Amino acid sequence: GQSLEQPSEVTAVEGAIVQINCTYQTSGFYGLSWYQQHDGGAPTFLSYNALDGLEETGRFSSFLSRSDSYGYLLLQELQMKDSASYFCAALRGRDDKIIFGKGTRLHILP
Amino acid sequence: DAGVIQSPRHEVTEMGQEVTLRCKPISGHDYLFWYRQTMMRGLELLIYFNNNVPIDDSGMPEDRFSAKMPNASFSTLKIQPSEPRDSAVYFCASSLGQGGGTQYFGPGTRLLVL
Repeated sequence: GQSLEQPSEVTAVEGAIVQINCTYQTSGFYGLSWYQQHDGGAPTFLSYNALDGLEETGRFSSFLSRSDSYGYLLLQELQMKDSASYFCAALRGRDDKIIFGKGTRLHILP
Repeated sequence: DAGVIQSPRHEVTEMGQEVTLRCKPISGHDYLFWYRQTMMRGLELLIYFNNNVPIDDSGMPEDRFSAKMPNASFSTLKIQPSEPRDSAVYFCASSLGQGGGTQYFGPGTRLLVL
C-alpha cells in the first residue's frame, strides 16, 4: 500500500525550532518532498530529498532516512508567517506519482 | 513565467449541472496533475498526464469525472452531473520530468455544488 503518516497538528513559539516528522510506506519509493500551504492558498514546494541525509535551504531543512522510511522537516527561527500546513509527499519512481500525506498544521504562538 | 493558471477561481453550481475546470500548465512542463482537496480526505491525486497522454486515472472517483489534455498548454477536468459531495478545491499542478519531486500548483478552483 501507499501511506504517509505525519502529526495532524504541531504548536511552537515564535523564534523557536520545530520538527515535523513523516513516516512513509510506499512501494517503489524514490524520494520525499515537503510542501507548505497557507490557508486559502495552494501548496508550494519547499524541499526534496532523494538521498539520505540533511538538505538545508535557508531556515528550512529536510532530512531523509531510507532505511527507517522516515523523514522530517526542520524549521528554524520560526516566524508568524510560517503558520501553515506542511505536507510530506513521496515520489514513486516507477510511475512518477506523488503521494501526499494528510498534512501537519503548524500553529505559532507569539 | 506566469505559473500554472486555473479558471475559474470560484464556481458555484447546482446539483446536476455540468462543471468544467480549466488549467494551463507552465510552458515546457511535460507532466500535468489534477488534485482535489477536502478537509476530510486531504489532497487526492485524481489523474495525471505525461506529454498530453493520461498515465494514471485511478484516482478519478467515478464516471462522472473526466479529464482531457488536447495539447501541451491546456487541460480540462469535467464533472457531469455534479453532486454536492464534489464540493472541494481542485488544484492543477505541472512539473518538468519527475521534477525532483517538485510540482508547481495553480491557485485552485473552489467548487461549491448546491
